Amino acid sequence: GNSVTQMEGPVTLSEEAFLTINCTYTATGYPSLFWYVQYPGEGLQLLLKATKADDKGSNKGFEATYRKETTSFHLEKGSVQVSDSAVYFCALSDQAGGGNKLTFGTGTQLKVEL
Amino acid sequence: GAVVSQHPSWVICKSGTSVKIECRSLDFQATTMFWYRQFPKQSLMLMATSNEGSKATYEQGVEKDKFLINHASLTLSTLTVTSAHPEDSSFYICSPRQGGGGYTFGSGTRLTVV
Repeated sequence: GNSVTQMEGPVTLSEEAFLTINCTYTATGYPSLFWYVQYPGEGLQLLLKATKADDKGSNKGFEATYRKETTSFHLEKGSVQVSDSAVYFCALSDQAGGGNKLTFGTGTQLKVEL
Repeated sequence: GAVVSQHPSWVICKSGTSVKIECRSLDFQATTMFWYRQFPKQSLMLMATSNEGSKATYEQGVEKDKFLINHASLTLSTLTVTSAHPEDSSFYICSPRQGGGGYTFGSGTRLTVV
């Protein structure tokens, strides 16, 4: 079946540091890949997505590239801010049927300090 | 757009009682509703998928008689945890989806059964 593996957190960084959150996946077919962010007390929000190999999703300074050869979708940001503190979830969409269900990773908590 | 309202945000109930969680899509019509639960430090696990006016499809291992899902309209779905027990304590998240549209999420309900 499909699965998503994320690096465990929490990740603690100083403001303006470089961020990488690793994500690898196992899937049949050709899934779409997503990064969601959950700020304290709020629902998950789509951060970025990529629908095919070599696509790069980007938003708010975050980027992730769909790497089919390494089955990865690592999240990066060049300079994090305190406001980026949140939990980040990597996910894939099953496009082989079944209502396009999302399969999530365990989430990685990011804490950015001044 | 794509505003989702999930209530309550947290609830404490006695063992053996039932709890209803509501999920409303405020500015769009949700043809499909996903319900997830999340245990601490684990990923979101899909419990069931429902389409408006149809019976929900439950994932393997999820008791349909315990977790009653009603998706009677395109803007409202409810999840009722019946005869709740401490092991049902978890974080429940709804995810309404417009046909062909993106995934949206409620802010979640923290259920504690004592």
